[in-house]
Amino acid sequence: QQQVKQSPQSLIVQKGGISIINCAYENTAFDYFPWYQQFPGKGPALLIAIRPDVSEKKEGRFTISFNKSAKQFSLHIMDSQPGDSATYFCAAMRGDSGGYQKVTFGTGTKLQVIP
Amino acid sequence: KAGVTQTPRYLIKTRGQQVTLSCSPISGHRSVSWYQQTPGQGLQFLFEYFSETQRNKGNFPGRFSGRQFSNSRSEMNVSTLELGDSALYLCASTEGWKGRYYEQYFGPGTRLTVT
Repeated sequence: QQQVKQSPQSLIVQKGGISIINCAYENTAFDYFPWYQQFPGKGPALLIAIRPDVSEKKEGRFTISFNKSAKQFSLHIMDSQPGDSATYFCAAMRGDSGGYQKVTFGTGTKLQVIP
Repeated sequence: KAGVTQTPRYLIKTRGQQVTLSCSPISGHRSVSWYQQTPGQGLQFLFEYFSETQRNKGNFPGRFSGRQFSNSRSEMNVSTLELGDSALYLCASTEGWKGRYYEQYFGPGTRLTVT
């Protein structure tokens, strides 16, 4: 019930194209869904996040689409650039009155944007 | 503000030894979480500390332990090292109070190699 399934494992996109990464979860108690970007040799960095009461959130070229009934959410990177080449992780979290429960991460998607 | 810092960045140990990793959170952040990252298992939650108390724990053996000091700095200890403990160990901090506790900021990690 704590799993978050992420696909695809790797993705190659042409510069200027749209990159789409999908995640699915099982536990309906999750109430916060962040996406992280990780470059080689660095720790993950929070990219964008959404709560289940919103169906879409956009920040610059990055958009999260959220489908509560299907228990799925996805990251769209518009106008993908070579600098976007990194590993992307989705995650799901559940909060409580004292803080947050342990985070469950997806398995990661290695994105390569080719010129 | 300075980011999350972790020391050392790289470490090589022998099976059976023990190791201590250190994490200094962002100033003002009271919650520190630890994660293990491996190619096979991805990002896995180890434990979280808030105000010197372990608040959440992942599914790792008792060889993995941690603590947090009054200045919010945290240490993680692994005893009786096994080859499978080779991984990138990441620390993340949050403000830890309701309303803003979901935004995690990761450090660069400590790369542990067990031979």
